[in-house]
Amino acid sequence: SQTIHQWPATLVQPVGSPLSLECTVEGTSNPNLYWYRQAAGRGLQLLFYSIGIDQISSEVPQNLSASRPQDRQFILSSKKLLLSDSGFYLCAWTAGGDQPQHFGDGTRLSIL
Amino acid sequence: QQPVQSPQAVILREGEDAVINCSSSKALYSVHWYRQKHGEAPVFLMILLKGGEQKGHEKISASFNEKKQQSSLYLTASQLSYSGTYFCGTRNALGAGSYQLTFGKGTKLSVIP
Repeated sequence: SQTIHQWPATLVQPVGSPLSLECTVEGTSNPNLYWYRQAAGRGLQLLFYSIGIDQISSEVPQNLSASRPQDRQFILSSKKLLLSDSGFYLCAWTAGGDQPQHFGDGTRLSIL
Repeated sequence: QQPVQSPQAVILREGEDAVINCSSSKALYSVHWYRQKHGEAPVFLMILLKGGEQKGHEKISASFNEKKQQSSLYLTASQLSYSGTYFCGTRNALGAGSYQLTFGKGTKLSVIP
């Protein structure tokens, strides 16, 4: 069966520090991968999605970037975090088309 | 274009019914429904692909009216476990550029004893 792993679960970072969040999927190949951010009590904002290795689409211009160095690995990065980057970051995968999106457990990021 | 969900919040007693609506200003190809419990990741409930299609998941069902560009989620005989925030995600096109869902702001459902 397919599983999605996301880490770390919680992260506290100072303003201006770098960021790297990792997401991996097991049990499937060539998944579509997504990064979402959810501010407290708010909806899901799509940040990036990828339909293949090194194929990244950005939905919101900001100081974040994403990379997909391997088929089942999706990384969210920042060189310098802002206070506004705080939130709940979720990685998701789907087999494509109109298949369900399956979410990782999320990373709760607090910027101090 | 972000779909509009209504109501924003609803409180039910166990056993009561509820309807959550999701409307889009653009033509819809499909509607996905998810439930998120506090502090957890969203969990998939169902996908509706065709106009007028209805689907069910236990006592939760949904309809999709393609002409009205809207979907409704029906929760009958609510249980405490139904509490959470419900999100609809819409897909407005097919083919290239249509790999993403656009989620509504969510409807917070609280079921009390």
